[in-house]
Amino acid sequence: ETGVTQSPTHLIKTRGQQVTLRCSSQSGHNTVSWYQQALGQGPQFIFQYYREEENGRGNFPPRFSGLQFPNYSSELNVNALELDDSALYLCASSFLNTEAFFGQGTRLTVV
Amino acid sequence: QKEVEQNSGPLSVPEGAIASLNCTYSDRGSQSFFWYRQYSGKSPELIMSIYSNGDKEDGRFTAQLNKASQYVSLLIRDSQPSDSATYLCAVPPRGAGSYQLTFGKGTKLSVIP
Repeated sequence: ETGVTQSPTHLIKTRGQQVTLRCSSQSGHNTVSWYQQALGQGPQFIFQYYREEENGRGNFPPRFSGLQFPNYSSELNVNALELDDSALYLCASSFLNTEAFFGQGTRLTVV
Repeated sequence: QKEVEQNSGPLSVPEGAIASLNCTYSDRGSQSFFWYRQYSGKSPELIMSIYSNGDKEDGRFTAQLNKASQYVSLLIRDSQPSDSATYLCAVPPRGAGSYQLTFGKGTKLSVIP
């Protein structure tokens, strides 16, 4: 089991609402990245945070945004939720370019 | 668009056999390669990383890399029912770190007792 923790584990939201997901990185790790995994697909890179700044972004619209805090924990915010946003959201932490370790994920269902 | 391709399976092998999982990638400049195991309903778990051409062994797992052919594979020896999972190949684009991974869709492995 990794030291990366995510909350909540499950969440149900209504279309159009906003959601915030949280991640605490593993001790000693300073880089946090977020992924979206739809059913039957591999994870898709959303963005990455290093030194509290976004440093790399995948093909996701601006309504997906994030933060990283001085203790390296992170938040993923999604505005104007759509049905297709239903997925497993994964947070991964690493130290610079070393191996990335995933948290247990947050299962988001948009109805 | 950088791509990582895997056979989706399912791949079924009898207990005790060798399972062979394959992955091809499009970015010739990629320098690091990762295999993750994902049990149903769980998050991906890193099981192997490989950076140089050739083989890397860790217990029952062997990762093989051939950069000229843009091909990376994972062999699981003495397969056990507990190895039944989806195996994800992940490759960061050239210049990107391990945090910016491009994943294949995964190969579902079933080990039959």
